[in-house]
Amino acid sequence: GPKVLQIPSHQIIDMGQMVTLNCDPVSNHLYFYWYKQILGQQMEFLVNFYNGKVMEKSKLFKDQFSVERPDGSYFTLKIQPTALEDSAVYFCASSWGGQDTQYFGPGTRLLVL
Amino acid sequence: QQQVRQSPQSLTVWEGETAILNCSYEDSTFDYFPWYHQFPGESPALLIAIRPVSNKKEDGRFTIFFNKREKKFSLHIADSQPGDSATYFCAASGGGSAKLIFGEGTKLTVSS
Repeated sequence: GPKVLQIPSHQIIDMGQMVTLNCDPVSNHLYFYWYKQILGQQMEFLVNFYNGKVMEKSKLFKDQFSVERPDGSYFTLKIQPTALEDSAVYFCASSWGGQDTQYFGPGTRLLVL
Repeated sequence: QQQVRQSPQSLTVWEGETAILNCSYEDSTFDYFPWYHQFPGESPALLIAIRPVSNKKEDGRFTIFFNKREKKFSLHIADSQPGDSATYFCAASGGGSAKLIFGEGTKLTVSS
């Protein structure tokens, strides 16, 4: 099936540093998403992005978070500065339309020390 | 309220049995209900989904039963196989929103 790629697969950083998570969505998809999964729990929606704009965001999408997709390149999630509670697996997803199947990437495992 | 509740938290069945996973929701604007499965260390993958125009959706051994009045939906896995062992998440979206609200997950173990 369609593949979403995420880089890096793992990231360890010190609290207070900046981190950028990269997502390469399915090529013809128009909607992009980030979800956060803490070990053993369900995925929780962070944000979705369409046509260069944030469409929706949850209360988990703190002021320290930002997303962009400059010129059709990677869809990125930036956290600046990071906090201990940001440690989680971050999944990127994409879909063609807003109500279509969302395809998930393999996740980036972020550990903030 | 935008929550999706899932049960049981874990389930063990014998090979060949039918596994039944349950979900419920509260938001009546939800109109899309997918089930994803996730193997350890891998990404969630769509298994099957239903929209409430029908109350049943089948795909091979996997069937979703949907009860709009009670706001419940379930996944039945017939003839369960050890390879079905994974964590299963139900989800819901709707009301003009594209975000998926996930349940807490059911860890299914199929013993041979």
